[in-house]
Amino acid sequence: KNEVEQSPQNLTAQEGEFITINCSYSVGISALHWLQQHPGGGIVSLFMLSSGKKKHGRLIATINIQEKHSSLHITASHPRDSAVYICAGGADGLTFGKGTHLIIQP
Amino acid sequence: DTAVSQTPKYLVTQMGNDKSIKCEQNLGHDTMYWYKQDSKKFLKIMFSYNNKELIINETVPNRFSPKSPDKAHLNLHINSLELGDSAVYFCASSRQGLGGANVLTFGAGSRLTVL
Repeated sequence: KNEVEQSPQNLTAQEGEFITINCSYSVGISALHWLQQHPGGGIVSLFMLSSGKKKHGRLIATINIQEKHSSLHITASHPRDSAVYICAGGADGLTFGKGTHLIIQP
Repeated sequence: DTAVSQTPKYLVTQMGNDKSIKCEQNLGHDTMYWYKQDSKKFLKIMFSYNNKELIINETVPNRFSPKSPDKAHLNLHINSLELGDSAVYFCASSRQGLGGANVLTFGAGSRLTVL
């Protein structure tokens, strides 16, 4: 069992829908990271959070330290949000989830 | 100006060869990393250097040797390449300390194919 588990593995939704991706972890972490990997392969850091909630545009990330759980939400989803979303956590190095492959259909 | 640049972007080589992938960051970050992404897109840390010193060395075959000539560069040298080494290798950097609590900036990745 991976120390960082994501769900769902695959998600297809219609443009405009509210999207939630979940991440549970069993490792001790300094912070929880959400990354985005586009079909072209590049990886971008979306959020790093150790408590509470962060918002950037249509993206919101929350974390519950007691429950060892984080969620990434996308409001008013758009086809350009189609990507693999990866959560990762750790104290020293990072342990990565297996990613959620999101497809937003027009 | 590319923040974290890796070269080459693509590398196709034969089994048994030795190859290197170079990484440079112009962000003034203290810590650099190498990650491997396998065919199932699963990312795993290989090495981490902080100010030219090796901090993390995960269970990686000793055919892989990182070299950090200065804190802006972390190169990955691979000896006696095997089929299983085929993957995308990502370099990344962060401001200071270790990756757990610092935002990472990734390079574009280097796709290695071993034939």
